[in-house]
Amino acid sequence: NAGVTQTPKFRVLKTGQSMTLLCAQDMNHEYMYWYRQDPGMGLRLIHYSVGEGTTAKGEVPDGYNVSRLKKQNFLLGLESAAPSQTSVYFCAIGTFQETQYFGPGTRLLVL
Amino acid sequence: AQSVTQLGSHVSVSEGALVLLRCNYSSSVPPYLFWYVQYPNQGLQLLLKYTSAATLVKGINDFEAEFKKSETSFHLTKPSAHMSDAAEYFCAARKGGSEKLVFGKGTKLTVNP
Repeated sequence: NAGVTQTPKFRVLKTGQSMTLLCAQDMNHEYMYWYRQDPGMGLRLIHYSVGEGTTAKGEVPDGYNVSRLKKQNFLLGLESAAPSQTSVYFCAIGTFQETQYFGPGTRLLVL
Repeated sequence: AQSVTQLGSHVSVSEGALVLLRCNYSSSVPPYLFWYVQYPNQGLQLLLKYTSAATLVKGINDFEAEFKKSETSFHLTKPSAHMSDAAEYFCAARKGGSEKLVFGKGTKLTVNP
């Protein structure tokens, strides 16, 4: 997980509250990704970015927004949290055609 | 669309026994293939990757995987399981030209003493 940090590590929200998850890298990789991990579902791509100022939708983007204002940071926002968004969120970084490196994860519980 | 299937959500082996975790991909064009390991409460770590250079790929901790185009498979093996191998393992694929990975649903490996 070296080079990729995620903030916070754990958070409890009430339904309807908003929050932002931060992913930061110090490896100067162009690509950044947000995944969610749910039991028995593997990892599913929420949104990703191929460079500063760009974002794109992944497999499960509904209910989330992202921004990549700086190359080293990728923010994931939940505007109005729902219990279905209870999950573990992972950020990953990479370069084209190369390995993705994952952060340590953020555990989110929505009550 | 690219998909990855991992056969067996749970695999249990004895310490010292062979580990075999199965992964099949669906693609007419061989993709780039990866195996990741996740230890409890941690992120994913790369074990090994196939990028068409060689069909038998060696990774960390004595793991290896063989790409078989005819079977669209990329099974992960280790000759002798160790207690520290207990973790969840994910197979993933990326089509050439794509920046996105597609993950299997994972296989949880238990190693019994």
